[in-house]
Amino acid sequence: QQQVKQSPQSLIVQKGGISIINCAYENTAFDYFPWYQQFPGKGPALLIAIRPDVSEKKEGRFTISFNKSAKQFSLHIMDSQPGDSATYFCAASKGSSNTGKLIFGQGTTLQVKP
Amino acid sequence: GAVVSQHPSRVICKSGTSVKIECRSLDFQATTMFWYRQFPKQSLMLMATSNEGSKATYEQGVEKDKFLINHASLTLSTLTVTSAHPEDSSFYICSATQGFSQPQHFGDGTRLSIL
Repeated sequence: QQQVKQSPQSLIVQKGGISIINCAYENTAFDYFPWYQQFPGKGPALLIAIRPDVSEKKEGRFTISFNKSAKQFSLHIMDSQPGDSATYFCAASKGSSNTGKLIFGQGTTLQVKP
Repeated sequence: GAVVSQHPSRVICKSGTSVKIECRSLDFQATTMFWYRQFPKQSLMLMATSNEGSKATYEQGVEKDKFLINHASLTLSTLTVTSAHPEDSSFYICSATQGFSQPQHFGDGTRLSIL
């Protein structure tokens, strides 16, 4: 029940295309859903995050869509660029608790071809 | 803002030695810091959670006597891998948060290689 399942494991998209990564969770107590971007040899960097009171959040080319009833959320990268090639992790936590432990998905390696 | 610095970025040492990794929040006070371990092409696995001035809380299966964590101030946490062996070779990453409902910001990790 603590797991966050992420798919696909890898993704190849042409430059200018839309990259879509999906995550599903079981624990209805989760109330904070961030997405992280990680380049090789670096730590993850927070991209965008959402809470369950909204169904969508957009920041630049990055959009999170959230479906509370289905317990699913997804990251959309519009106009994908070669510089977006990285590994993306979704995560979930009970953000209102005093531990804030993040449960990470398995990761998606995105390659954007020029 | 929200910069987390981790040092060293890479360390290579002989089996049996102890290695200390530092994690600093440079521009904010971190009430809570987390330590993760990441194997190649895998996700991040939480090792422990540390709150300033308190003992760290370790995840199931993580040996607290092997991975010593100290969070002596609101800007510094250290992870010491004691008597390291080749199986301890991994990418260790810390993160820090200002507290309730605040995002975690990650350091750039430490690549530990035990020969």
